[in-house]
Amino acid sequence: AQSVTQPDIHITVSEGASLELRCNYSYGATPYLFWYVQSPGQGLQLLLKYFSGDTLVQGIKGFEAEFKRSQSSFNLRKPSVHWSDAAEYFCAVGEAGQNFVFGPGTRLSVLP
Amino acid sequence: GAGVSQTPSNKVTEKGKYVELRCDPISGHTALYWYRQSLGQGPEFLIYFQGTGAADDSGLPNDRFFAVRPEGSVSTLKIQRTERGDSAVYLCASSFTANYGYTFGSGTRLTVV
Repeated sequence: AQSVTQPDIHITVSEGASLELRCNYSYGATPYLFWYVQSPGQGLQLLLKYFSGDTLVQGIKGFEAEFKRSQSSFNLRKPSVHWSDAAEYFCAVGEAGQNFVFGPGTRLSVLP
Repeated sequence: GAGVSQTPSNKVTEKGKYVELRCDPISGHTALYWYRQSLGQGPEFLIYFQGTGAADDSGLPNDRFFAVRPEGSVSTLKIQRTERGDSAVYLCASSFTANYGYTFGSGTRLTVV
């Protein structure tokens, strides 16, 4: 069965510091991979997606993610965090025409 | 419309009552998904429509939950005999094709008291 793990429930970083959020998945083939962000009381916003090709993908708001097939990982990174990045981040996996499976989320806090 | 619209944004209902949650997807999006998000958890799949038909309803927890999309646009999620455990944020998403990922609405927060 498909599954997504996000090992870190809560991460706190200082503003300006670099960030890496981990995502590991279990899937039969190479799935489509996504990162979403959810601010308090808001819906989910797509940050970036990977379907095929270049394993380093760029997204909105300065985020990037790298697909590593050998590690079944799709970690999200940002070189310099802003206070407005504080939110909940969800990794999701799936395939075309199917529903997606979401991870439990990682809550990011940013210290001034 | 410009985005996925969900109404109402908040719904409080008494245990045992019937509720309907509405989702208006982005115009032209043929795929529509319903998810449920409980506090502190990731979204959990409920049902997926391709056009008017339910392509996958394997996530519906039981027969109290039902969803329709009669004209291939607006969808309604219906919950009968609500229980306190149904309290959650119900999210709707749509996509033109799966290749683009979903666009989510802001959700309906359902509270069963």
